[in-house]
Amino acid sequence: DAKTTQPPSMDCAEGRAANLPCNHSTISGNEYVYWYRQIHSQGPQYIIHGLKNNETNEMASLIITEDRKSSTLILPHATLRDTAVYYCIVRPSLAGGTSYGKLTFGQGTILTVHP
Amino acid sequence: SAVISQKPSRDICQRGTSLTIQCQVDSQVTMMFWYRQQPGQSLTLIATANQGSEATYESGFVIDKFPISRPNLTFSTLTVSNMSPEDSSIYLCSGAAGPADTQYFGPGTRLTVL
Repeated sequence: DAKTTQPPSMDCAEGRAANLPCNHSTISGNEYVYWYRQIHSQGPQYIIHGLKNNETNEMASLIITEDRKSSTLILPHATLRDTAVYYCIVRPSLAGGTSYGKLTFGQGTILTVHP
Repeated sequence: SAVISQKPSRDICQRGTSLTIQCQVDSQVTMMFWYRQQPGQSLTLIATANQGSEATYESGFVIDKFPISRPNLTFSTLTVSNMSPEDSSIYLCSGAAGPADTQYFGPGTRLTVL
């Protein structure tokens, strides 16, 4: 089972920031938070990941709370092309275990960006 | 990052036949995985493709039904054997690269079994 909880759907106006929340209250200290998105009929696209610190790249920002029990993915200026299913996933960061590297996908959040 | 390609992109097959899906990565990756996405559902991990040895299957998936090969660090195949309409899904492969072994996904193979 997925270790994360996400709202099933969200709307956002084009040009505004999209803030997608994720709860991962049972996360352990050596687990990453990963975000992927899947645009209809395509393979999942990697967005960003973090361990403890906030992260930013050319696609998005990831804000992780101090207790690491939740995080928010921020798309600063959403466009129509950002309409997709967004998945928040936790996975081990330490190599060697049987779960290392594996991704368990939940149902994600359907983000709809409207004009 | 890694760029993943899959062949075929889609196929329509008859019940009882088998289909082999190819996955090619543009660079060496540490791990490769195969996933299934049934209509309207999220992705489910089928197995980890191990280079030069037998794949590691997740619960509910068996080698006889989904034989997997990974002869080198950039290529893997998944065969869907003795297909039934319930096997109609999108099959995706991924490769792990970078310091965190981030997974990058292929575009998927859309399989329809009649």
